[in-house]
Amino acid sequence: GDSVTQMEGPVTLSEEAFLTINCTYTATGYPSLFWYVQYPGEGLQLLLKATKADDKGSNKGFEATYRKETTSFHLEKGSVQVSDSAVYFCALSLKTSYDKVIFGPGTSLSVIP
Amino acid sequence: NAGVTQTPKFQVLKTGQSMTLQCAQDMNHNSMYWYRQDPGMGLRLIYYSASEGTTDKGEVPNGYNVSRLNKREFSLRLESAAPSQTSVYFCASSDGPKPLFGQGTRLTVV
Repeated sequence: GDSVTQMEGPVTLSEEAFLTINCTYTATGYPSLFWYVQYPGEGLQLLLKATKADDKGSNKGFEATYRKETTSFHLEKGSVQVSDSAVYFCALSLKTSYDKVIFGPGTSLSVIP
Repeated sequence: NAGVTQTPKFQVLKTGQSMTLQCAQDMNHNSMYWYRQDPGMGLRLIYYSASEGTTDKGEVPNGYNVSRLNKREFSLRLESAAPSQTSVYFCASSDGPKPLFGQGTRLTVV
């Protein structure tokens, strides 16, 4: 079935370090791909998206490229800040009888000064 | 402010009690969703409503019922709460593939 796999957390980085969070997916069709972010005590917010192969989504210094050949959508940021501490969810969306969205388990990121 | 509003934000129930979680959106979205979030499991879909007047089961519907009261409102009911239903519940709405989420309801069943 359709699914999303993310790297295990928690991830702890020092400020200004490089971030990669791996995400791979399995889907029967051609999904759109998303990264959502959840700050402590809040709901999920859309961080970035890509709707077709080789698209690059970007926002707030974060980037992810839709790689169809490796079914991946890894999240990267060149220099993390303390304010980036949050839980990050990779997700895919398929158009079925409804807009079916499947989330990965989430990766917790802590950035220390 | 436009968005998805959930009430209550926190709730403690005793096993066997019932309650309804309320959700309203003011973006005129057709689709609405209820998810639960548990540690290490991401978000799992409980029920969804693709349009006003329709509801369907998601991945984990057992123990829950829903009502799409009108286009704006989508409520989730626990008829007889169980400790396994301790979780954070999120309502979302969309008019396309990008759900917009509410702030969540943290429910504890003791």
